[in-house]
Amino acid sequence: KNEVEQSPQNLTAQEGEFITINCSYSVGISALHWLQQHPGGGIVSLFMLSSGKKKHGRLIATINIQEKHSSLHITASHPRDSAVYICAVDNTDKLIFGTGTRLQVFP
Amino acid sequence: NAGVMQNPRHLVRRRGQEARLRCSPMKGHSHVYWYRQLPEEGLKFMVYLQKENIIDESGMPKERFSAEFPKEGPSILRIQQVVRGDSAAYFCASSPRGQGGTEAFFGQGTRLTVV
Repeated sequence: KNEVEQSPQNLTAQEGEFITINCSYSVGISALHWLQQHPGGGIVSLFMLSSGKKKHGRLIATINIQEKHSSLHITASHPRDSAVYICAVDNTDKLIFGTGTRLQVFP
Repeated sequence: NAGVMQNPRHLVRRRGQEARLRCSPMKGHSHVYWYRQLPEEGLKFMVYLQKENIIDESGMPKERFSAEFPKEGPSILRIQQVVRGDSAAYFCASSPRGQGGTEAFFGQGTRLTVV
């Protein structure tokens, strides 16, 4: 079993829909990261969380430390949000990654 | 303030050749991490370095792979005698201190193709 599990693996949505991506982890962490990767592109950090909730534009990230679970929400999704979203946890000075959620948003 | 710079962006090597991947961290960052992303797989930790020191190389294959971060210049990930299975995207990340609780800054990656 992976130490960081994401769901769903693949997600398609119509423009404007509300999207949720989930991440569960089984190790102790100092922080959790949500990352975005476009096809053939680099990796961009969206959020770093150690508790509670953060919001940036149409993106919202939450974390529940007791339940070892985090969610990434995208409100009013847009085709440019199409990318792979990766959850990663800080564990003893290195990141452990989930396998990613491939999101496609259609106009 | 330039971000994390990796070069080359794309690298093609024949089996048996050497591959050298470079990573210049963000200004002021003295901690560098290398990660590998195999085709259709998630990212995996390889090695964590500070200037002139390897802190954790638990994710690095024991043979053919080495990494350094000299006092001056970029961090180098070196793969000797490459094989087809080394084809992957290699990402570098840097931070001003140890990763724990620190935002991750990634480079654009080097995509290595072994033919």
